[in-house]
Formats: sequence, structure tokens, C-alpha cells
Amino acid sequence: DAKTTQPPSMDCAEGRAANLPCNHSTISGNEYVYWYRQIHSQGPQYIIHGLKNNETNEMASLIITEDRKSSTLILPHATLRDTAVYYCIVRVASGANSKLTFGKGITLSVRP
Amino acid sequence: NAGVTQTPKFQVLKTGQSMTLQCAQDMNHEYMSWYRQDPGMGLRLIHYSVGAGITDQGEVPNGYNVSRSTTEDFPLRLLSAAPSQTSVYFCASSLGTGMHYGYTFGSGTRLTVV
Repeated sequence: DAKTTQPPSMDCAEGRAANLPCNHSTISGNEYVYWYRQIHSQGPQYIIHGLKNNETNEMASLIITEDRKSSTLILPHATLRDTAVYYCIVRVASGANSKLTFGKGITLSVRP
Repeated sequence: NAGVTQTPKFQVLKTGQSMTLQCAQDMNHEYMSWYRQDPGMGLRLIHYSVGAGITDQGEVPNGYNVSRSTTEDFPLRLLSAAPSQTSVYFCASSLGTGMHYGYTFGSGTRLTVV
């Protein structure tokens, strides 16, 4: 699986959009970009995934650059409950090599 | 509630003791896996299973055994606990290994080996 690079931390004000960047410059054509988050002491929670098109669900939006070498997770209206570690992961679509590999993630702190 | 259930939530072991961390899911998920998380680090894959009777090693398998006799259960065994195995352990399951399947994680087992 390709490696990802994320800044160690960032913060944003409550109610504002949080834009979390991720670099995956060695991503392969059959690898997807996934985002998970881990709120303190809890198990990770799936947020969203995508291949090359932008994706949106009830939790967030995922913007993937045209060359697929980077992406941005957008939380449109961050709340205090969004304070967590966010993991950007790339993985192949299926098969035995499709297991998730977690890095250190980015710690998002939402301030009042 | 449907989901991934891990037991126990907390455990203290003495060096050399053995124990089994239990993981059960009621979502009929084929794929199950175990991760460990140490302070300041991301999750590291220990073992995984793509279905009953099939298991394979992950990134850090040494010191751990697994088996998958049923679709629902995926226990993790520590045969002889060591202080280096002090960690938080998470079990995860997924309907399959395909890209559309998000993983569901349990709430974790916090293990201390003294």
C-alpha cells in the first residue's frame, strides 16, 4: 500500500470548516483513499472513501486532486465533538492486500 | 445493538501469564482483524481473517495467536504475556475486503502486563 503523509496537528474554530490535508504521492491506480477518525479512547470510525471523484456524505466531503497525489477531508461545520485523530489511508480495492494500514494521523482540535 | 463486542475492557496480567481477548460481531461480516495501538502511534495490524477457517499474519504477529472457527468470533490469544504487549487492542470487522466496505471497530481492550 502507498504511504500517506499528514501534518501532526491542526485546529479550527467551532462552526468553521475544517480542511484536513493528506499527501499520497505514490498512490497506485487501483488504490482508494479512506478516512477514519478516532475520538479519544474509542475505536476508529469510518468517515468516507473515494477513488478519483469528489465524494460527500452526511459526515464530510472528500476532495481528491486530479493527479490523485493528495486529498482533503472537509468537515463543513466543525463542532467540539469533531475533536479527534483523523487517519488518511490508501488501500487496494479488494483481496488479501486490502487491509487497512494506519499511520499516526492528524490531531484536529476544535476550539470554542 | 449490532456491532463489534470486545471483552474484557480492561485486563492486568503478570509476565508469562496467558489470556484470550474475545471479539464477536453479529453483522455476518466475513472479514475480521486485530490491531494494537501504543501511545502516540497509529494502529498496527496483528492478525486478520477473511472468513471462517482462514487467518493470516499482519504487521506485528509475534506473540499472538488467532483462530476463526465461526464467522462471528475471532479471539486473540497471548500465550506468554510480556510487558511489551501492554497496549490497547482493537478488533474490527467488515462485510468484505472490497473497497466499499467500511470497517466497524470495537471499543477496545486495555491490557497492562506487569
